Amino acid sequence: SAVISQKPSRDICQRGTSLTIQCQVDSQVTMMFWYRQQPGQSLTLIATANQGSEATYESGFVIDKFPISRPNLTFSTLTVSNMSPEDSSIYLCSVGENTGELFFGEGSRLTVL
Amino acid sequence: AQKVTQAQTEISVVEKEDVTLDCVYETRDTTYYLFWYKQPPSGELVFLIRRNSFDEQNEISGRYSWNFQKSTSSFNFTITASQVVDSAVYFCALKDTGRRALTFGSGTRLQVQP
Repeated sequence: SAVISQKPSRDICQRGTSLTIQCQVDSQVTMMFWYRQQPGQSLTLIATANQGSEATYESGFVIDKFPISRPNLTFSTLTVSNMSPEDSSIYLCSVGENTGELFFGEGSRLTVL
Repeated sequence: AQKVTQAQTEISVVEKEDVTLDCVYETRDTTYYLFWYKQPPSGELVFLIRRNSFDEQNEISGRYSWNFQKSTSSFNFTITASQVVDSAVYFCALKDTGRRALTFGSGTRLQVQP
């Protein structure tokens, strides 16, 4: 399985600021996704990070709020823009192949004050 | 549309008891994959098993076993002789041909008391 590194692992942010989360994989992967896990909740897909093109967002998530980059097959970033306390969550990067399971990074735990 | 239901929000057992976590899924596809993940208190998601829709054989891995029944759209997970280290949130997930990502259930929190 791929080794996935996420930075930062946790952060405390002020309302109205933005934070960029990085996801680095130790091998080239076809699929890369960003999930959100709000406190005590399940995982919700934010978007599919597409290499060399715009990300594909799920219903309820928009590019202006969650811009995503994926410049190559091993790296992606997710920015949480203009944060509010409701954005306090764990953000998880996941990677996988078409027929297989997804593997997850350790997550980035954001607290917005 | 796909959906995964984990009706048990929280289960508490005493060490060495057996426990079964339920998972019911919905999909229109005939080809799909089912998964279980474990999320211990540290927060990292740990992959446990993948099962495809054409393989209904039950699987056993140590103290873990999985029962897949297409007739009832269920993919239940049993831990035999539970241990304190099994305490975690367990997620069931589904992937069908309509989506490349996984759809997760709401999770079941398992507490194993010593």
